[in-house]
Amino acid sequence: DQQVKQNSPSLSVQEGRISILNCDYTNSMFDYFLWYKKYPAEGPTFLISISSIKDKNEDGRFTVFLNKSAKHLSLHIVPSQPGDSAVYFCAVLDSGTYKYIFGTGTRLKVLA
Amino acid sequence: DGGITQSPKYLFRKEGQNVTLSCEQNLNHDAMYWYRQDPGQGLRLIYYSQIVNDFQKGDIAEGYSVSREKKESFPLTVTSAQKNPTAFYLCASSIAAGALQETQYFGPGTRLLVL
Repeated sequence: DQQVKQNSPSLSVQEGRISILNCDYTNSMFDYFLWYKKYPAEGPTFLISISSIKDKNEDGRFTVFLNKSAKHLSLHIVPSQPGDSAVYFCAVLDSGTYKYIFGTGTRLKVLA
Repeated sequence: DGGITQSPKYLFRKEGQNVTLSCEQNLNHDAMYWYRQDPGQGLRLIYYSQIVNDFQKGDIAEGYSVSREKKESFPLTVTSAQKNPTAFYLCASSIAAGALQETQYFGPGTRLLVL
């Protein structure tokens, strides 16, 4: 029973275009959301986060949008670069159990 | 240079053998976590510790054990009871479990292979 879902296992985008990665969650009590980027055989690297009191957070080329009513968040990367090719995980912090719950990841490939 | 280190990078286990994966952090974080990643799957929580001398089971704790005798160290032992140990193991830490909206940081990982 997945509490955090990333329904697209892979995504291909042309260099310079926008990449949009999606994530859905089931528990409306979750209030802190994170995106991580992971290269093969390395640990995930924190990218950006958002609190439930906001609906958008921006950091350079990365923007995270949160739609609480739909229990959906998305990561926008613009413009996409070949170095962005990696697996992206969304995660939520369950403040009741202090656990971080991860989605299954989306593999992004940015084509030069 | 603050961070999380894991060793070794690769580890080989023989059948029936216990092996221990090391995780050390110098970030002065209270909370530490162990995850397992299998191909095509997300990160699954094995054990976590909110404070020294205390730890809790995660979602897939069977066949694993941990200790938290020091704040900076959280070793994971993969016991012979773990029948499918081949995976990529990730250690992580955060400032304090229970602190709201804290980011979790990861080590570089250890790949465990069964001979």
